[in-house]
Amino acid sequence: DAKTTQPTSMDCAEGRAANLPCNHSTISGNEYVYWYRQIHSQGPQYIIHGLKNNETNEMASLIITEDRKSSTLILPHATLRDTAVYYCIVPRGGGSQGNLIFGKGTKLSVKP
Amino acid sequence: GAGVSQSPRYKVTKRGQDVALRCDPISGHVSLYWYRQALGQGPEFLTYFNYEAQQDKSGLPNDRFSAERPEGSISTLTIQRTEQRDSAMYRCASSLHGPKANSPLHFGNGTRLTVT
Repeated sequence: DAKTTQPTSMDCAEGRAANLPCNHSTISGNEYVYWYRQIHSQGPQYIIHGLKNNETNEMASLIITEDRKSSTLILPHATLRDTAVYYCIVPRGGGSQGNLIFGKGTKLSVKP
Repeated sequence: GAGVSQSPRYKVTKRGQDVALRCDPISGHVSLYWYRQALGQGPEFLTYFNYEAQQDKSGLPNDRFSAERPEGSISTLTIQRTEQRDSAMYRCASSLHGPKANSPLHFGNGTRLTVT
């Protein structure tokens, strides 16, 4: 996978927007950016993915810079239940290899 | 609908015994993946299948580990002659289409294996 760099941890106040950054400067033209999160001991949960356009779904928004070297996951109104480890992943070769590298992710703590 | 189901939820075994971990993917999902997760770490890829064909087993640590998906649905991950270092959470995931279609993975809640 293209190497991604994320902060180890972040805090966010409940009700405020959580903006989680990810650097992926070696990303190739056909490689998507994926975000998953893992709440406590549950299995990872898919959040969103994108190629070059910004994306939004019911969970979050994904903003990808024009040069595609970085992206930001936005949780518009964070709740306590959003406390989790968030993983930014760029599957190598557009995902054709089926092997996602999760890394250590960002531990987001949403505080009341 | 039902998600990815794994059994057993917990497995405690003695060193040297064989164990079989089962994964029942979401119905109709083409691809099935096995990952292993140590405490405090992200999941690590083990192997994956498209239908019944094992496409990549590069993540299996050694030849004590094997996996099969004979009918393209349920999969079994088998660990022979277990060792204490095999203790971990084993997670299964499935996706509607294969990796080339950029289908998101849906994970089960895992099997916690403890080798004593």
